[in-house]
Amino acid sequence: QQPVQSPQAVILREGEDAVINCSSSKALYSVHWYRQKHGEAPVFLMILLKGGEQKGHEKISASFNEKKQQSSLYLTASQLSYSGTYFCGTESLNRDDKIIFGKGTRLHILP
Amino acid sequence: EAQVTQNPRYLITVTGKKLTVTCSQNMNHEYMSWYRQDPGLGLRQIYYSMNVEVTDKGDVPEGYKVSRKEKRNFPLILESPSPNQTSLYFCASRTPIYNEQFFGPGTRLTVL
Repeated sequence: QQPVQSPQAVILREGEDAVINCSSSKALYSVHWYRQKHGEAPVFLMILLKGGEQKGHEKISASFNEKKQQSSLYLTASQLSYSGTYFCGTESLNRDDKIIFGKGTRLHILP
Repeated sequence: EAQVTQNPRYLITVTGKKLTVTCSQNMNHEYMSWYRQDPGLGLRQIYYSMNVEVTDKGDVPEGYKVSRKEKRNFPLILESPSPNQTSLYFCASRTPIYNEQFFGPGTRLTVL
């Protein structure tokens, strides 16, 4: 039931782009994305809803393929501040009010 | 300032000694959750509450209890802690409609 994230870890140089994927075996109502810096709490980035509605930050984009139960987070022109662990959380179509998180993707940006 | 607070932030205890981790939010959110975070496993939901006096089990509820007597507070209770409950715990509350979650700062618990 836990969504699968890929890659598990990625190292980039500042200015490069990154894509983080999230895949679920269940039909989804929504996908949430969070970033957690070391020693801190997760922080909300974006939510994508079935039907195409989105709410999130301007500099971060994501897609949600409802048919494939997949979402991707796009980090363009990465900055040092993007470093951290990214988690996707999924809410199933039956709206059971549970958000199940993946194991996370560690992103490290080098200067 | 809108926030979720947890106390204590760090706790070292011994097996079997009952403890409570408090959680409070000032955003008037109805929905609150507790998660534990372990290396390589991500965030796993322990319990959640959709409103006052309404609680339900998450994915890993064994060994934990919760209560929701007021909207703002959602304490996590470990009646008889064991070493496998050593973890980083997060409380969260979330907005209606978009379900954006606000996490507390975390409580690092060590059970010896």
